[in-house]
Parts: sequence; C-alpha cells; structure tokens
Amino acid sequence: KQEVTQIPAALSVPEGENLVLNCSFTDSAIYNLQWFRQDPGKGLTSLLLIQSSQREQTSGRLNASLDKSSGRSTLYIAASQPGDSATYLCAVEDSNYQLIWGAGTKLIIKP
Amino acid sequence: GAGVSQTPSNKVTEKGKYVELRCDPISGHTALYWYRQSLGQGPEFLIYFQGTGAADDSGLPNDRFFAVRPEGSVSTLKIQRTERGDSAVYLCASSLNSGSDEQFFGPGTRLTVL
Repeated sequence: KQEVTQIPAALSVPEGENLVLNCSFTDSAIYNLQWFRQDPGKGLTSLLLIQSSQREQTSGRLNASLDKSSGRSTLYIAASQPGDSATYLCAVEDSNYQLIWGAGTKLIIKP
Repeated sequence: GAGVSQTPSNKVTEKGKYVELRCDPISGHTALYWYRQSLGQGPEFLIYFQGTGAADDSGLPNDRFFAVRPEGSVSTLKIQRTERGDSAVYLCASSLNSGSDEQFFGPGTRLTVL
C-alpha cells in the first residue's frame, strides 16, 4: 500500500531564505507526483506536477525534483516571502489513478 | 472559465441526520473526484467518476456514504445517519480525463456533525 510522508511537519524561517521541503513515497509505481499549496479555509492550489518520466519541474521561485527509484521528491523555494506561508502537500497518483497524499508541511515565513 | 465549485461551504448537522454535498466541476471535465480531509491530515480518496459511472469507489468508508453523478457533470455526495467522526472538509476535484491529467480542486465543504 502506497504511503506518502512529508518532513518536516512544520517549518518557520525568516523571509529571504531558500528552503527545501521533502516528500517520500513507498511504491515507485506512480503516474505522477504533484505539489499543492493549501491556505487556511481555502482549497488546494496545484503548484507543480511532475510526470513519472520527468526529473524536475520549475515555476518561478519553485523547483520540484523527482527521484522515482528512491521514492523521493523535494520542493525548493527560493528567496522565500511572507506570502509563501501556507501548508504544502505532496501527492502521488498511483496505478489506480488515485491521489495518495502526505500530511503536509506547515510553512511560516517570518517578515 | 469558472473553477470547481462546492456548496455549501459550511454545513453543521446533528448526529444521525442526512446530508448532501454538491460539486460543480469545470465544464468539459469528464473525471470527478471526492476526497475527505481531517484536521492536520492530507486528503483521503473517497470515490472517482469517469462520466456518469463510479470508476472507483474503494475509498468510501462504509455504506452510509454514497455519491452520484447522473448527467456526467454535477456530483452529489450523500451521507446517511451522520456520525461525529464524519466531521471533516470534503473536497471535490475534476480533471479533463482520468489518468495522469491534472486535478483541479474546489474550496471544499466543511462538515461538522454535533
């Protein structure tokens, strides 16, 4: 059974720092991996989607990598800003087209 | 165009009551998904539809939960004899097709069972 783990559960850093969020999964048979952002009381916003054949995706200050064989993904945020404060979730799409989710990393960027 | 919408945004009910939660997907999206998210957890898959049919309902926790999508667009998640443990945010998503297409999420319905 696929399990997704995110470390750390919470992170607080000063504005301007670069940071890395980690996601690991137990079964490498995935179609894709997605990183989402969730703001309190709001829905999920997709940030980056990496297909299983890809190694990384970039969007602005965000870069996500995927190492399927080792079951790991990282989300790199450059030059963090207070507006980046949110919970970041990673999810893998398994062979049944289901998204299996981690519990998220709650990120606080201090001004 | 409009994104995925869900109504109501909040629902408070008493234990034992019946509730319906509605999801309007993005127009033209054939796949629709329901998830449930408890506090401090990631979402859990409940059911997904391809068109009008439930392609996978393996995530529904028990027979009190049922979902329909009669015309292949709007979907309703129905919960009978609600229990306090059903309290959660219920999220709906849609994608152009099933498979590896990106899923777009609605804002969710927060269900509280007293």
